[in-house]
Amino acid sequence: DSGVTQTPKHLITATGQRVTLRCSPRSGDLSVYWYQQSLDQGLQFLIQYYNGEERAKGNILERFSAQQFPDLHSELNLSSLELGDSALYFCASSVESRPDTQYFGPGTRLTVL
Amino acid sequence: GENVEQHPSTLSVQEGDSAVIKCTYSDSASNYFPWYKQELGKRPQLIIDIRSNVGEKKDQRIAVTLNKTAKHFSLHITETQPEDSAVYFCAASSPPEGRLAFGKGNQVVVIP
Repeated sequence: DSGVTQTPKHLITATGQRVTLRCSPRSGDLSVYWYQQSLDQGLQFLIQYYNGEERAKGNILERFSAQQFPDLHSELNLSSLELGDSALYFCASSVESRPDTQYFGPGTRLTVL
Repeated sequence: GENVEQHPSTLSVQEGDSAVIKCTYSDSASNYFPWYKQELGKRPQLIIDIRSNVGEKKDQRIAVTLNKTAKHFSLHITETQPEDSAVYFCAASSPPEGRLAFGKGNQVVVIP
């Protein structure tokens, strides 16, 4: 157990819908990273938040957005869902002094039908 | 951005033998190279990492080597056991944010 928690574990929804994925980092970690894992694209960095502020952006679609709240939990919002958005979504957290040493949560498996 | 490549894609080894996975990276500014193990349906688990000021690091049966000049790094697993069967991902990170660029992963199968 990495100490990073994610909910829900599984999510099944229809095309065109909107979902919210939630992540709580390890105690004391200020950085949260979101990654998407699909069979064809592998693990792709989406976005990073540090202490409530967006710090870095990867290949995140405009239909996706994220935020980090004062209690440091983060939410990833996916809207106008398409079949191709079906994937595993992981969040990871790290300490300030070692932002690259990241510990992953259990992931949310999103299935878009 | 950083591009990380892994070879081979699938590796089958007999139990007790060694397994080696190699990765190359493109960005000379990258200075941190972790390896993650992922079992089916589970989270990527950090198993070992190395920073660019070190050439080799070992932790029990696993070791990682780094060649900055050639921009490649490798994972070595000795005395493989069935529980080593998993997908292994290499990654690279460059400062300052720490985002990780992952390779496509290697399926390692340890045959009892």
